[in-house]
Amino acid sequence: AQSVTQLGSHVSVSEGALVLLRCNYSSSVPPYLFWYVQYPNQGLQLLLKYTSAATLVKGINGFEAEFKKSETSFHLTKPSAHMSDAAEYFCAVSDPGSSASKIIFGSGTRLSIRP
Amino acid sequence: EPEVTQTPSHQVTQMGQEVILRCVPISNHLYFYWYRQILGQKVEFLVSFYNNEISEKSEIFDDQFSVERPDGSNFTLKIRSTKLEDSAMYFCASRKGQGIYNEQFFGPGTRLTVL
Repeated sequence: AQSVTQLGSHVSVSEGALVLLRCNYSSSVPPYLFWYVQYPNQGLQLLLKYTSAATLVKGINGFEAEFKKSETSFHLTKPSAHMSDAAEYFCAVSDPGSSASKIIFGSGTRLSIRP
Repeated sequence: EPEVTQTPSHQVTQMGQEVILRCVPISNHLYFYWYRQILGQKVEFLVSFYNNEISEKSEIFDDQFSVERPDGSNFTLKIRSTKLEDSAMYFCASRKGQGIYNEQFFGPGTRLTVL
């Protein structure tokens, strides 16, 4: 079965610092991977997705993620944090065996930005 | 920009009561989903719906749950007899078509509290 593990339920960085949110996946077949962001009182917004094309994926708001098969990782990074990046971030995987393309989510990482 | 909407934003009910959560997917989308997130836990897939029938459901989606698309715009989730453990945030999502390049768009969620 597909699964993702997010390391760290809460990450705090200073404004302007590097953001690194970790995600490892488990999959017996090439997965499709996603990062979603949830701002307070809002729905889940897609940041970026990996669908077996380029291993380095660029998303919205300056975020990017790199698919590393050897490490089964899909970590999310941003070179310089902004106060508006404070939110909950979810790593997710799509089950290729699912006819409905259901999404399986990680437990989430709350990102705080210090002034 | 088109978006998925959900009503109500917060629903409080007594254990054993029936609740209906409503969603209006994006108008030209064909695939519809319900997910839920119990406080402090992962976002979990409940059910997917296509062509007026359930295409996939999880173990959580037992006989107490049902979904319906009563008209051309609404997509509802009904819980017949709510239990305390049904308290969660429920997210609706919709997708335009098949293939992984059609991402799922999520609504802001309905927070269900069962007393």
